[in-house]
Amino acid sequence: DQQVKQNSPSLSVQEGRISILNCDYTNSMFDYFLWYKKYPAEGPTFLISISSIKDKNEDGRFTVFLNKSAKHLSLHIVPSQPGDSAVYFCAASSGGYQKVTFGTGTKLQVIP
Amino acid sequence: GAGVSQTPSNKVTEKGKYVELRCDPISGHTALYWYRQSLGQGPEFLIYFQGTGAADDSGLPNDRFFAVRPEGSVSTLKIQRTERGDSAVYLCASSLVGDPSYNEQFFGPGTRLTVL
Repeated sequence: DQQVKQNSPSLSVQEGRISILNCDYTNSMFDYFLWYKKYPAEGPTFLISISSIKDKNEDGRFTVFLNKSAKHLSLHIVPSQPGDSAVYFCAASSGGYQKVTFGTGTKLQVIP
Repeated sequence: GAGVSQTPSNKVTEKGKYVELRCDPISGHTALYWYRQSLGQGPEFLIYFQGTGAADDSGLPNDRFFAVRPEGSVSTLKIQRTERGDSAVYLCASSLVGDPSYNEQFFGPGTRLTVL
């Protein structure tokens, strides 16, 4: 039972363009969402998060959008840079609970 | 300051053997988490410690898996009678307090376990 789904296993984007990574969830109890970035042979690193009371959170080139009615969130990276090439994981939790559920990841390649 | 460290970085063992994986969290972090990441999958929650106690071990797959954190700092994940299906990268993470709304989890590089 995959409660957090990332249906695109990979994405290629030209440098300078926008990257849009999508995530869907099924558990309506989730109220906190996170994006992590992972380089090979390293652990995931936190990128950006959003609480369910918001529909947008922005941090520099990274913006996360949340559509609660559709149970969908997306990460926008503008402009994309080659150093952004990594695997991006969407994750979610509920009620301040520590059990974070991760998606399967999307591998982003930014082409110079 | 040092991040989360995990030892060993790689572990190869034979089916049926016992293994221990160690995690050193960031100093002062009270919360510690273990995850397992299989090929092509995202990290899968195993267990969460707040201080010395396991606050949630619902992700441990069966009783062959056990984890301890006796002094509220270093943690050891123990796997008995290993099976080939246990092969994965085992990730450890720590955070200051146990509220994801305020504190991100910092991950270690993981231990790649291979069971032959």
